[in-house]
Amino acid sequence: DVKVTQSSRYLVKRTGEKVFLECVQDMDHENMFWYRQDPGLGLRLIYFSYDVKMKEKGDIPEGYSVSREKKERFSLILESTSTNQTSMYLCASRSPGQNTEAFFGQGTRLTVV
Amino acid sequence: DQQVKQNSPSLSVQEGRISILNCDYTNSMFDYFLWYKKYPAEGPTFLISISSIKDKNEDGRFTVFLNKSAKHLSLHIVPSQPGDSAVYFCAADTGTASKLTFGTGTRLQVTL
Repeated sequence: DVKVTQSSRYLVKRTGEKVFLECVQDMDHENMFWYRQDPGLGLRLIYFSYDVKMKEKGDIPEGYSVSREKKERFSLILESTSTNQTSMYLCASRSPGQNTEAFFGQGTRLTVV
Repeated sequence: DQQVKQNSPSLSVQEGRISILNCDYTNSMFDYFLWYKKYPAEGPTFLISISSIKDKNEDGRFTVFLNKSAKHLSLHIVPSQPGDSAVYFCAADTGTASKLTFGTGTRLQVTL
């Protein structure tokens, strides 16, 4: 059974704190993604990576950075959290090439107070 | 600029009837489309997909229709069941970019 695992289900952080969200996949996928989901806005792409140490900005990268040191692991870093980063964060992985589905983790609900 | 649009934020359907969820896109380079289902506090799960070389794909109770000239796709669920109550997201990609562009979602409620 394929799996994408996110390190935390729920997090509460204070404004200005640094946050690491970790994601691990066991499918040997080259491509990994971080999205955030907000009501009325759907899923918006923050960053993605198509190989180890490679990264590309998505649609809303401001305030975020990422790290991909190993193929199976993709981390999202919030250097200094703000209340507008309160959201559901979703990690996904996908095999490269055409006509494949992306597999998602269970999500991390981050609340910044 | 929203390249994938789901203009109905919510839909309510009686159990046993057909649910039709709609999705429009603006990027003519999109050639692969997917539907995902999402329950609260869980990650999205893949439901069904369609390539631009087809106009219909069916999997059990779920059928996706693609109208390329109108840049429109729809998901039909027949018959609808209470367990289908969830948020449904439409997604698209260009086949080479690997990143999926999602719509804003439609919340489906199937009532008894």
